Amino acid sequence: ETGVTQTPRHLVMGMTNKKSLKCEQHLGHNAMYWYKQSAKKPLELMFVYNFKEQTENNSVPSRFSPECPNSSHLFLHLHTLQPEDSALYLCASSQEAGAGYNEQFFGPGTRLTVL
Amino acid sequence: GQNIDQPTEMTATEGAIVQINCTYQTSGFNGLFWYQQHAGEAPTFLSYNVLDGLEEKGRFSSFLSRSKGYSYLLLKELQMKDSASYLCAVRDEDYKLSFGAGTTVTVRA
Repeated sequence: ETGVTQTPRHLVMGMTNKKSLKCEQHLGHNAMYWYKQSAKKPLELMFVYNFKEQTENNSVPSRFSPECPNSSHLFLHLHTLQPEDSALYLCASSQEAGAGYNEQFFGPGTRLTVL
Repeated sequence: GQNIDQPTEMTATEGAIVQINCTYQTSGFNGLFWYQQHAGEAPTFLSYNVLDGLEEKGRFSSFLSRSKGYSYLLLKELQMKDSASYLCAVRDEDYKLSFGAGTTVTVRA
């Protein structure tokens, strides 16, 4: 248990569906991250929130829409996805983003399949 | 973009030693992390290096040479539970973390 939980763990959706991924951290951290992990590829940073403000959008298509209502919760809203978006989506948190030693704690991920 | 290279797969015998190399080319450097990820689970932190040299933590050690853009993770006295993917990640001058594709280590009896 890393202190970061994600739901659902598995999700299958059609290209016309709308779904949301949820992440919650119980570590008192102020920064939260979304990553995409595809088979045999490096983790790709998607979004960073620091003190509830989005500080990084790594050229992510608009069909992925993040939301951070507070420092403990992070959502990723999905709509009109493509089959190539099928991947493991990992959430992480750290004390804060930016300077200093900041180990990131990862959730177990949501395995997303787009049909 | 950042470039982080590590071998795709390694196999070793229980009780042996395995060294996973990582080379990187990044815009600036603010630390290197190693994570372990078992199949279907979250990556978990193993080690952090920001200065040159060796950091030892029980059976695991990590080495860094900033001038060579090189790190390795050394796993000693391998156990079956060490079978996992090992991720090298480098933080650049903007404190962004970039990951390698991971090295899958298989430990055989």
